[in-house]
Amino acid sequence: KQEVTQIPAALSVPEGENLVLNCSFTDSAIYNLQWFRQDPGKGLTSLLLIQSSQREQTSGRLNASLDKSSGRSTLYIAASQPGDSATYLCAVNNAGGTSYGKLTFGQGTILTVHP
Amino acid sequence: DTGVSQDPRHKITKRGQNVTFRCDPISEHNRLYWYRQTLGQGPEFLTYFQNEAQLEKSRLLSDRFSAERPKGSFSTLEIQRTEQGDSAMYLCASSFGGLSGEQYFGPGTRLTVT
Repeated sequence: KQEVTQIPAALSVPEGENLVLNCSFTDSAIYNLQWFRQDPGKGLTSLLLIQSSQREQTSGRLNASLDKSSGRSTLYIAASQPGDSATYLCAVNNAGGTSYGKLTFGQGTILTVHP
Repeated sequence: DTGVSQDPRHKITKRGQNVTFRCDPISEHNRLYWYRQTLGQGPEFLTYFQNEAQLEKSRLLSDRFSAERPKGSFSTLEIQRTEQGDSAMYLCASSFGGLSGEQYFGPGTRLTVT
């Protein structure tokens, strides 16, 4: 059974810092990996999707990397801003096993960027 | 707005009542997924449709839950005889093509059972 773990569970940083969020997964049989942002009480906003054949994706101040063989992904946020404060979720789209074709999510990292 | 929409956004109900949620996927997306998210946790898969066919249901989906997607368009999720443990955010997502397609999420329906 696929398991996704995100570290740290919570992170508080001053504005302007660069930061890294970590995601690990136990089964490397995946189609892709997505990073989402979730504001309190809201739905999920997709930030980046990395296909299993890719190593990284970039969008603005965000950069996500994927090492499928080791079961790890990182989300790098450059020059953090208070508006980046949210919960960040990592999800893998499973290519096998009992979760075939569905997303398995981590528990999220709660990010607070203070002015 | 061409994104995934869900209705209602919030629902408060008393234990034992039935509730129904609606999801409208992105037009032409053939796959539609339902997930449930409890406080402090990541979303968990409930069920999914390819066109109008319900292809899989999670063990989380008890007999009190039923989902439909008539004509392969919008979908409904009904919970009968609600329990306090059903309180959660119910998220809908849609995708196009095969199982590897990117899933786009709606704003969710927050259910509170009192």
